[in-house]
Amino acid sequence: DAKTTQPNSMESNEEEPVHLPCNHSTISGTDYIHWYRQLPSQGPEYVIHGLTSNVNNRMASLAIAEDRKSSTLILHRATLRDAAVYYCILSPRGQTGANNLFFGTGTRLTVIP
Amino acid sequence: GAVVSQHPSRVICKSGTSVKIECRSLDFQATTMFWYRQFPKQSLMLMATSNEGSKATYEQGVEKDKFLINHASLTLSTLTVTSAHPEDSSFYICSAPGQMNTEAFFGQGTRLTVV
Repeated sequence: DAKTTQPNSMESNEEEPVHLPCNHSTISGTDYIHWYRQLPSQGPEYVIHGLTSNVNNRMASLAIAEDRKSSTLILHRATLRDAAVYYCILSPRGQTGANNLFFGTGTRLTVIP
Repeated sequence: GAVVSQHPSRVICKSGTSVKIECRSLDFQATTMFWYRQFPKQSLMLMATSNEGSKATYEQGVEKDKFLINHASLTLSTLTVTSAHPEDSSFYICSAPGQMNTEAFFGQGTRLTVV
């Protein structure tokens, strides 16, 4: 499985934007980039995914580098409810985004009031 | 979005007993579900893939006779931890793929404590 590298932890002030980086230098041309987050004592929840183009949804934006070797999850205005561990995961095309998800250590985001 | 529900959310059992955890897809059908385990301050580790109508497939190192999986219907998978020991204490989480197969929906998790 292609691996991802994320910082162990990050902090953000409430109501400020947050940029969570992810490196995936061994990504293959058919790997999708998925982001999930896990709030304390809960199961993970889907945030966003993309292949090549930048993506936006109601939760976040995903900026994908042109060479696809890195991506950034953007939370436009952090709230206290966004405090969680954020996981960047690659899944090969042809396998569903829900299959065989390899969760690395993720980035623990702390939001400061 | 789709909802996956786990029950119970928390359970304490005595060493040597068995515990059953249920995972239900509430508003969609799931021919496949996944079971993960998460120890404190660690990430999720895939234990097994539950397949409706056939045997589960287990990840390397996971004992199939200890962690019994039954995918009874298109909306229910169960994980039974047999002869539980304190080292089985963990956070167990199930997931199911959505209809578009592009994202996974996770249950809220079951915290198992074996005393």
